[in-house]
Amino acid sequence: DQQVKQNSPSLSVQEGRISILNCDYTNSMFDYFLWYKKYPAEGPTFLISISSIKDKNEDGRFTVFLNKSAKHLSLHIVPSQPGDSAVYFCAASRGQNFVFGPGTRLSVLP
Amino acid sequence: NAGVMQNPRHLVRRRGQEARLRCSPMKGHSHVYWYRQLPEEGLKFMVYLQKENIIDESGMPKERFSAEFPKEGPSILRIQQVVRGDSAAYFCASSPPEDRRFEEQYFGPGTRLTVT
Repeated sequence: DQQVKQNSPSLSVQEGRISILNCDYTNSMFDYFLWYKKYPAEGPTFLISISSIKDKNEDGRFTVFLNKSAKHLSLHIVPSQPGDSAVYFCAASRGQNFVFGPGTRLSVLP
Repeated sequence: NAGVMQNPRHLVRRRGQEARLRCSPMKGHSHVYWYRQLPEEGLKFMVYLQKENIIDESGMPKERFSAEFPKEGPSILRIQQVVRGDSAAYFCASSPPEDRRFEEQYFGPGTRLTVT
């Protein structure tokens, strides 16, 4: 039972354009959401987060949008850069633990 | 300041053997978390430890798996009598002793366990 879904295993975007990574969740009790980036042979690194009381959080080129009614969040990267090429994990939490999605591999083409 | 260190990076075990995975948290961090990533899946929480205490092991399989974080030395994730289904990447993360914020979890590079 996947509580956090990332239905696109991969995404390719041209450098300079917008990357949109999507994430859906099933548990309405989740109240905190995070995005992590992972390069090959490295552990995930924290990117950006959002609380369920907000619908948008922005940090530089990265913006996360939360639609609670649709149980959907998305990560926008503008403009995309080749160094953004990585696997992106969405995570959702309620209390002490959190649940990761399976990841989306983003390729930013020069 | 060295990051979270895990060793070995790759571990191959035959079915029935024991696997020991080590995690050295970042300096000053007293909280350790273990996650497992199966192929094509996201990371799954296994256990949360503080020095000499298991705080939450709700994600740990009931049998064959154990974890410890002794007063001195690294945290150890131990898998006894490994089976092929244990093949996965095991990630450790650590965080400082203040409020437990997920953003403060720093991940190690992982140990890839292969059971043959």
